[in-house]
Amino acid sequence: AQKITQTQPGMFVQEKEAVTLDCTYDTSDPSYGLFWYKQPSSGEMIFLIYQGSYDQQNATEGRYSLNFQKARKSANLVISASQLGDSAMYFCAMRDLNTGGFKTIFGAGTRLFVKA
Amino acid sequence: NAGVTQTPKFQVLKTGQSMTLQCAQDMNHEYMSWYRQDPGMGLRLIHYSVGAGITDQGEVPNGYNVSRSTTEDFPLRLLSAAPSQTSVYFCASRVNSGRQETQYFGPGTRLLVL
Repeated sequence: AQKITQTQPGMFVQEKEAVTLDCTYDTSDPSYGLFWYKQPSSGEMIFLIYQGSYDQQNATEGRYSLNFQKARKSANLVISASQLGDSAMYFCAMRDLNTGGFKTIFGAGTRLFVKA
Repeated sequence: NAGVTQTPKFQVLKTGQSMTLQCAQDMNHEYMSWYRQDPGMGLRLIHYSVGAGITDQGEVPNGYNVSRSTTEDFPLRLLSAAPSQTSVYFCASRVNSGRQETQYFGPGTRLLVL
């Protein structure tokens, strides 16, 4: 069965520093996609970054990068040069592309606080 | 493009009442989903649809019905509201375009059942 685990309920980071948000997953499907979403206090879900299980390189999108360690089944989000506007909830998500191609499951989330 | 729209934004119901949460997308996406978000639990899939006329259950389907008569619309019906259905509901639609399989979310509907 699919499972996403985010073990950090809350994280603090100083403005302009980098922060890593942890995500581990479990699946028996060799083909899957991993996602990170940001949810600010206004409530909307904002897509940040995507990593496919067969992608050779770690995904990057601006200040966001995904540290994908397939053998460890981890997909940590790295935010470089944190900004005050990065304060939000962050969700890791996964979809099996073969057996569960229509279902995306989410972790419980990590709340990030950026300090000035 | 308006993207994914949801109505209403807020709703208060009494136990036993029924209502429909509306969701529409103008991106011609085949896949649409409904999630509920409860504190500390992330998003959980209620129902999803892979195209007009095709729906299926997610993780937490009990107490909810859906239909998909058009590509654009995917309403969620609460048959007899219960306090346990107090939550924030998100509708999402998805495109499958190679490497970027991204879901687009609506702004959410906050539902309170008394």
